[in-house]
Order: sequence, then C-alpha cells, then structure tokens
Amino acid sequence: DVKVTQSSRYLVKRTGEKVFLECVQDMDHENMFWYRQDPGLGLRLIYFSYDVKMKEKGDIPEGYSVSREKKERFSLILESASTNQTSMYLCASKRQGDIYGYTFGSGTRLTVV
Amino acid sequence: DQQVKQNSPSLSVQEGRISILNCDYTNSMFDYFLWYKKYPAEGPTFLISISSIKDKNEDGRFTVFLNKSAKHLSLHIVPSQPGDSAVYFCAAYYGGATNKLIFGTGTLLAVQP
Repeated sequence: DVKVTQSSRYLVKRTGEKVFLECVQDMDHENMFWYRQDPGLGLRLIYFSYDVKMKEKGDIPEGYSVSREKKERFSLILESASTNQTSMYLCASKRQGDIYGYTFGSGTRLTVV
Repeated sequence: DQQVKQNSPSLSVQEGRISILNCDYTNSMFDYFLWYKKYPAEGPTFLISISSIKDKNEDGRFTVFLNKSAKHLSLHIVPSQPGDSAVYFCAAYYGGATNKLIFGTGTLLAVQP
C-alpha cells in the first residue's frame, strides 16, 4: 500500500522556534508538495519540488523554506514560527506528469503559541 | 487572488437526496478539474475528474459537470449517503511544466440520516 507519511500528527511550538515538518513517501515519486489547510481558505500551496534538490515557491512561501536532499523526503521548515502559522499542514507526492496520482499524507496539526 | 472558489462553505442534505456542490474558476487555461474528498484527520483523496474538453463525467453515484463558458463546475452525488459527509475540494490543474493543482476553499457536506 503506497504511503505518504508525515512524522507528527500534532505539534505545539512556541513563537520564534524553528520548526521542521517531515514528509516521506515510498512510491519513488518525483514531485512533492506542501500545502496548508485553513477554514475558508482551502488548501494553499506553500512549496513544491519537481525532483531532488529542486524547489519552487507556491502561492504562500513567506516564512517557510524547504529541503529535498533525498527523493523520498521533503521537509518544510518554519524559520521562526509565528501564531499565524497555526494550521493543518498536508504533504503530497505524485509521479512527474501524472495528473490524478496525488497521494496525500494524513496531515500535521501545528499550533504555535 | 483565489483562482478556484467554492462559494458555499457548507451544505446539509437529507440521506437519499441529491447533493450539488459548486465551484467557480477564473483561469481559462486550466486543463483538468478534479474533486477531492477529505475526512477529518485524513489527507484528501481523489474522487472524480473531468477534462476541459468534456462537459460531463460520471462514476457511479458521482457526476461532474463542466460549463466552460461560465467557468463553473459542479459535483452531483445521487443518492447521498451519511458516509459522504466530508469536506469536498474542487481543484484545477495547470498542464505542462507547472504540474500542480490549485485547490478551492472547500465545502463541508453533511448528509443527515
């Protein structure tokens, strides 16, 4: 069974902390994505990666960075967490060129206090 | 700037009746449109899609209609079942190099027994 695994289901962090959200996929997918889900705003794309060491900004990259050193792992980094980054974070992966094959992780609920 | 909008944040329907979820978009360059379903504490899962060259696609109880001139699509669920209660996201796809989905704001569907 193919999987996208997000390392934490729930996280509580303090304002100003550096936060790492990890995502691992076992499908040998080239493309990986980070979205955040907020009520009334839907899913918004933060960053995505076409392949190893490649990254592109999505619609709301401010305050975030990413790292993709290995094909299976895509990390989202909050350089200095703020309360407006409290959200549900969803990682997804798919094969290059595949339209329908987005596989999502179960999400990480991050609360910044 | 929200390119994909779902103007109804929530919808309540009686079991056995039809559920109609609506979605509007602004960009005429989208190639494909997809609907995703999301239960709490789970990632979104693909439900049904339609190519921009078609006006209808049907899969069991689910039918998606596309009106390109109005930049509008809708998802019909007939008959609705309590297990259909979830958040539904409309998504649009840019073909070519960008290779990413743009999600709508979501509609929470509640099917009452």
